[in-house]
Amino acid sequence: ETGVTQTPRHLVMGMTNKKSLKCEQHLGHNAMYWYKQSAKKPLELMFVYSLEERVENNSVPSRFSPECPNSSHLFLHLHTLQPEDSALYLCASSQVSGPADTQYFGPGTRLTVL
Amino acid sequence: GNSVTQMEGPVTLSEEAFLTINCTYTATGYPSLFWYVQYPGEGLQLLLKATKADDKGSNKGFEATYRKETTSFHLEKGSVQVSDSAVYFCALNQDSNYQLIWGAGTKLIIKP
Repeated sequence: ETGVTQTPRHLVMGMTNKKSLKCEQHLGHNAMYWYKQSAKKPLELMFVYSLEERVENNSVPSRFSPECPNSSHLFLHLHTLQPEDSALYLCASSQVSGPADTQYFGPGTRLTVL
Repeated sequence: GNSVTQMEGPVTLSEEAFLTINCTYTATGYPSLFWYVQYPGEGLQLLLKATKADDKGSNKGFEATYRKETTSFHLEKGSVQVSDSAVYFCALNQDSNYQLIWGAGTKLIIKP
């Protein structure tokens, strides 16, 4: 148990659906992250929020829309996804102080787009 | 730009064997270096880290030494167990508070 929870753990959706992924951290951290993990590819950082402000957006398609209503919660809203978006989506949090910070990860949501 | 290269897996070993997973990096200056581990069905968790040259990170019997001269951070363990079966990720962070540069991961399989 890392202190970061994600729901749902598994999600199957059609290309025309709208769904949301939820992440909650119980560690009192001030930054939260969304990553995409695909087979045989390095982890891809999608979005970073620090103090509830988006600070990184790594050229992610607009069909992914993040939301950070407070420092403990992070959402990823999904709409009109493509089959290549099928992956494990990981949420992480950290207490930002410098390059040696440890990131704490949730267990991920396994997304399948049909 | 900065990058991390890990040995390709899977790496398959017998229980109690010696483990080395190679990691080399490209960066200017002195990045912080990390090993994260992902057990089946779980997210990643920090295994160990080192923040300056010649530092040795260690945890759970695993060790890695920050070698500036060879730009390497190889992961080692003297005697692996079946429970060490997982995917291991090497990563670095140089200038950013947020952006880790990740290797592709190395899957380790330990057979009893």
